[in-house]
Amino acid sequence: GAGVSQTPSNKVTEKGKYVELRCDPISGHTALYWYRQSLGQGPEFLIYFQGTGAADDSGLPNDRFFAVRPEGSVSTLKIQRTERGDSAVYLCASSGQNSGANVLTFGAGSRLTVL
Amino acid sequence: EDQVTQSPEALRLQEGESSSLNCSYTVSGLRGLFWYRQDPGKGPEFLFTLYSAGEEKEKERLKATLTKKESFLHITAPKPEDSATYLCAVVLSGGYNKLIFGAGTRLAVHP
Repeated sequence: GAGVSQTPSNKVTEKGKYVELRCDPISGHTALYWYRQSLGQGPEFLIYFQGTGAADDSGLPNDRFFAVRPEGSVSTLKIQRTERGDSAVYLCASSGQNSGANVLTFGAGSRLTVL
Repeated sequence: EDQVTQSPEALRLQEGESSSLNCSYTVSGLRGLFWYRQDPGKGPEFLFTLYSAGEEKEKERLKATLTKKESFLHITAPKPEDSATYLCAVVLSGGYNKLIFGAGTRLAVHP
């Protein structure tokens, strides 16, 4: 597609539930990033994929968070046993050789609310 | 610790009133500094990349400059449509394009 697509745009869940957030990057972009943005803050790095592998997952806050990118395109961020503190906007970005100076292009985000 | 600090947190301008936003950084090594614009409910949108001290980039009413310790985003004669949050981010040398963001400056331009 023309841009980075994220679904769902909004997700409301109850504490303790499992959620999946999906990111469809720009076609041909090999690098994919997940960020988390809390209200009034800048985006905070979570994980970086180069192709199918997670090259840097140092930003994942704990083992309840996991992300996959099995075919090197679409990525899914998975959160187990959600907590109220997980409420935030989860942003996905991609970059590639055609993105100009390795610029990251962001999606609109998935807003997660944990009740 | 690598850190990016933006000031002010919020800025209110009258249409046509020029001003500057500041981004100061403390990093082990800078590979590049990025400015993004973010509108409510949307993801950050790329504006500029700066790589070396003394470099300047311009786009319409916006001009970004870089020194060894900070960057400025100058807004000349702003319009209401320039209202947004402006985010500064750095990429460290020796690594990949992992952006470290500041908290942003919320700009409101009133007619």
